[in-house]
Amino acid sequence: DVKVTQSSRYLVKRTGEKVFLECVQDMDHENMFWYRQDPGLGLRLIYFSYDVKMKEKGDIPEGYSVSREKKERFSLILESASTNQTSMYLCASSLTTGRSGANVLTFGAGSRLTVL
Amino acid sequence: AQTVTQSQPEMSVQEAETVTLSCTYDTSESNYYLFWYKQPPSRQMILVIRQEAYKQQNATENRFSVNFQKAAKSFSLKISDSQLGDTAMYFCAFMNLQGAQKLVFGQGTRLTINP
Repeated sequence: DVKVTQSSRYLVKRTGEKVFLECVQDMDHENMFWYRQDPGLGLRLIYFSYDVKMKEKGDIPEGYSVSREKKERFSLILESASTNQTSMYLCASSLTTGRSGANVLTFGAGSRLTVL
Repeated sequence: AQTVTQSQPEMSVQEAETVTLSCTYDTSESNYYLFWYKQPPSRQMILVIRQEAYKQQNATENRFSVNFQKAAKSFSLKISDSQLGDTAMYFCAFMNLQGAQKLVFGQGTRLTINP
């Protein structure tokens, strides 16, 4: 089974701190995604990447950046955390179209971030 | 842009009953997939079922089936013989196959199965 591992399950940070959320997948998936989950809003896409060093903005990229230096790792960075970034963050990965099993996202367990 | 709407924030049924979760979507695309994902309490999101838009036949996975009405842009999930383990948040999601394969999610429905 594909595994998507998020490095921290729970984090508590102070306003203004730089925050790194790490995500690693172990099945050679090309696509990786960062979503934010808030009650009543579902999941909203922050950034995604379809290849190493490639990134695309999602629907709510403001206040976030990402890094993908290796195929298996996709990092979400909050340059200066704010209280409105308190949320659950979900990482996901998938194969690119054309490959068997493509188009199905596999999710990590989530990282619950609280910014005080 | 595509949008997905789940109009039922919460639902509750008794064990062994059948329950239907609603989902509507809006798109001008013709080539897409629709999904239902399940997120159990404090556990990770998993795929329940997937429907290709070009297929007229409704997808089925054991006790889970969908009613896909393409013209009405409706995609409901039916859970038969519900079990306590079905208690979870359920998300409907849309994927446009043109361009990047990203999921657009609905707001979610919190389903509780009561003993």
